[in-house]
Amino acid sequence: GESVGLHLPTLSVQEGDNSIINCAYSNSASDYFIWYKQESGKGPQFIIDIRSNMDKRQGQRVTVLLNKTVKHLSLQIAATQPGDSAVYFCAERSGNTPLVFGKGTRLSVIA
Amino acid sequence: DAGVIQSPRHEVTEMGQEVTLRCKPISGHNSLFWYRQTMMRGLELLIYFNNNVPIDDSGMPEDRFSAKMPNASFSTLKIQPSEPRDSAVYFCASSLGGARRGAFFGQGTRLTVV
Repeated sequence: GESVGLHLPTLSVQEGDNSIINCAYSNSASDYFIWYKQESGKGPQFIIDIRSNMDKRQGQRVTVLLNKTVKHLSLQIAATQPGDSAVYFCAERSGNTPLVFGKGTRLSVIA
Repeated sequence: DAGVIQSPRHEVTEMGQEVTLRCKPISGHNSLFWYRQTMMRGLELLIYFNNNVPIDDSGMPEDRFSAKMPNASFSTLKIQPSEPRDSAVYFCASSLGGARRGAFFGQGTRLTVV
């Protein structure tokens, strides 16, 4: 469970800074969204989810923002730590359909 | 809770051989998903079960792939015969509440077909 694509977008962030990872989706009917984190050699790990009737949801050090008008989802990580280095996926679904995953963004934290 | 358990973690097999991947979902979860992850295609849903019944297998690549869920605590994904292009990491995930809820993933099985 390592790489996802040959040309994964990569975000490099200094330790302690905030990170913002973006995701665009195309299905205007999508009503549920999840962010996953995947570390090298591991399966995707659930971070936070949000339903389409919300535009913001906060967890521990993470915030997800949803802009349905432009079909955009973002994950904000506060005070980024080396352990946050991973590939981050957004996933979406509409109605009863299963989750559809994006291609992922690699976050690299510089100590 | 031990989480979703997959076996084996790694499998290397020769082209033409049968491969069986195994999954134990989280106890109490009623939905189970099989995904495949490759560099080129990312994470693809192959099939998912709800209450042990296959709901959507449209992602299964071809007839060489089959999946079963004989009971709530066990599922298999079989490839027969295997081909080099089947090489990927195969993930099993489970959730409570069907496809509408977030799924929790196992560690995956890295399959290499030579």
